[in-house]
Amino acid sequence: GAVVSQHPSRVICKSGTSVKIECRSLDFQATTMFWYRQFPKQSLMLMATSNEGSKATYEQGVEKDKFLINHASLTLSTLTVTSAHPEDSSFYICSARERGAWETQYFGPGTRLLVL
Amino acid sequence: KNQVEQSPQSLIILEGKNCTLQCNYTVSPFSNLRWYKQDTGRGPVSLTIMTFSENTKSNGRYTATLDADTKQSSLHITASQLSDSASYICVVSAGKTSYDKVIFGPGTSLSVIP
Repeated sequence: GAVVSQHPSRVICKSGTSVKIECRSLDFQATTMFWYRQFPKQSLMLMATSNEGSKATYEQGVEKDKFLINHASLTLSTLTVTSAHPEDSSFYICSARERGAWETQYFGPGTRLLVL
Repeated sequence: KNQVEQSPQSLIILEGKNCTLQCNYTVSPFSNLRWYKQDTGRGPVSLTIMTFSENTKSNGRYTATLDADTKQSSLHITASQLSDSASYICVVSAGKTSYDKVIFGPGTSLSVIP
């Protein structure tokens, strides 16, 4: 099946710093990528949807200036958490939808962010 | 309001036993329903995907059913194994285009014990 990777798998940073998380589709072209956040014992919450070459669409309540999303190519999307604070500590998961296959959605393994 | 509910919230079963997880949804227009397995600290992995016209789909020991009339789906796990311990998430897509809305259920936490 299609593979989606994320890097890093976990990151610890100091409050106020910025953290970049990469999401790559390894063997297919992803025209759409999604970013989710998941708190302990809760389900995934969609943060934003990004289509290659266009600006991301953010869900209500998600600050676009804090969570910067770039989808510069068909295989790479990045999420940058700017000026991270402890409340941003969470599990961030990306998923990718293959070109022409809108029914499918492949998830990455997730990135655990801990802000001290 | 598009919504997906799952029951039970958590479940503990003995290894080798069968179990059934439930998913009810109020999503319109319905596009497809997927069941995912999410191990702790990992991303979700797709188990099955069903469209409106499909009633049942199997993937090894996992069998999903869909009743589009009552808007219910179930995931049946046969002969459970310890590795089945995970969160099982029901996801329903609304719409018919690449911009369809995806609604996640809260998940059912399954623990298989020896």
